[in-house]
Amino acid sequence: GAVVSQHPSRVICKSGTSVKIECRSLDFQATTMFWYRQFPKQSLMLMATSNEGSKATYEQGVEKDKFLINHASLTLSTLTVTSAHPEDSSFYICSARTYRDEQFFGPGTRLTVL
Amino acid sequence: QKEVEQNSGPLSVPEGAIASLNCTYSDRGSQSFFWYRQYSGKSPELIMSIYSNGDKEDGRFTAQLNKASQYVSLLIRDSQPSDSATYLCAVNKDSTLTFGKGTMLLVSP
Repeated sequence: GAVVSQHPSRVICKSGTSVKIECRSLDFQATTMFWYRQFPKQSLMLMATSNEGSKATYEQGVEKDKFLINHASLTLSTLTVTSAHPEDSSFYICSARTYRDEQFFGPGTRLTVL
Repeated sequence: QKEVEQNSGPLSVPEGAIASLNCTYSDRGSQSFFWYRQYSGKSPELIMSIYSNGDKEDGRFTAQLNKASQYVSLLIRDSQPSDSATYLCAVNKDSTLTFGKGTMLLVSP
């Protein structure tokens, strides 16, 4: 299957700081990438859909000014958690979609805000 | 509203048995169907894709799709303890993927 990388895999930061997470499709071009959040023992929650060259589409209840998404190229999307607070601590996972509508997930980023 | 339903489980099977995981979906216009495996603390991994009615086999895995009945299933033959994970069903329509909440599978040695 296709390979999606995500960096960093783990980050610990102080409350009020911003954290950037990168998602890359390594062996295919992805016009669309997705950002999910998952709390312990909970289901995946779609946060936003990231389209190359255009603004992201956010799901209801997700603050676009807090979770900044940039899809700069066909292989790179970034999620910036601005002014992070402890309640933002979660497992953030990106995915990239192929032309067959398969979604391949990155390994995830575990964010801990102190 | 699109819905994808799965029994949350846990589904417990002994090692070597066949595990049968089921999923139903509400949107008749759904076009393609996927099964993901997610180990605790890890991200989902795509294990099967199925696009037309019938069975699709890949190693120990068989996906079955019945569009008329709006269900898709995943059979795991010769289940191993390493198959213990949460299995997510995902349904695609018009490039929008909707996930079920997953079924936890426990394979006991």
